[in-house]
Amino acid sequence: SQTIHQWPATLVQPVGSPLSLECTVEGTSNPNLYWYRQAAGRGLQLLFYSVGIGQISSEVPQNLSASRPQDRQFILSSKKLLLSDSGFYLCAWRGTGYTEAFFGQGTRLTVV
Amino acid sequence: AQSVTQLDSQVPVFEEAPVELRCNYSSSVSVYLFWYVQYPNQGLQLLLKYLSGSTLVKGINGFEAEFNKSQTSFHLRKPSVHISDTAEYFCAVTHLNQAGTALIFGKGTTLSVSS
Repeated sequence: SQTIHQWPATLVQPVGSPLSLECTVEGTSNPNLYWYRQAAGRGLQLLFYSVGIGQISSEVPQNLSASRPQDRQFILSSKKLLLSDSGFYLCAWRGTGYTEAFFGQGTRLTVV
Repeated sequence: AQSVTQLDSQVPVFEEAPVELRCNYSSSVSVYLFWYVQYPNQGLQLLLKYLSGSTLVKGINGFEAEFNKSQTSFHLRKPSVHISDTAEYFCAVTHLNQAGTALIFGKGTTLSVSS
């Protein structure tokens, strides 16, 4: 069966520090991968998606970047965090034969 | 472009009462529709989905939703809620089988069930 792992679960970082959040998927090949951010009262905002290794599409201009170095690995990064980067970050995947997306448990990022 | 509007940000109900969470979508092409549930500090779990066929879709935990193409709606219902249904609920839409297309979510509805 397929599983998705996302870590860390919580993170407190100072303004101006770098960020790296990692997501890995097991039990499937060539999944579509997504990063969402959830802010209070604003629902889920799609940040990035990837249909293959090295292929990243950005949905909104921001202080963040994404990379996909391996088929089932998706990384969200920042060189210098802003206070506005605080939020709940969710990784998700969709694969061949599936219509829905499957989500990781999320990372709560607090920038102080 | 697709969009999803969840008409109620918060819905308070008493235990064993019926509930309806409203969702309207906008799209110029055929879509798939979903409802997800999120418990505090967790990821999203799929409740149900509409792909085609019968417009009444049954999901987990006793929830069901009805697809109405003319009204572009996909409202979620449960005839009798429990305390454990307290959570945030998200409606989502996506294009049919378009590579890379992500699910687009509404802003969510917080369901609060009290005794």
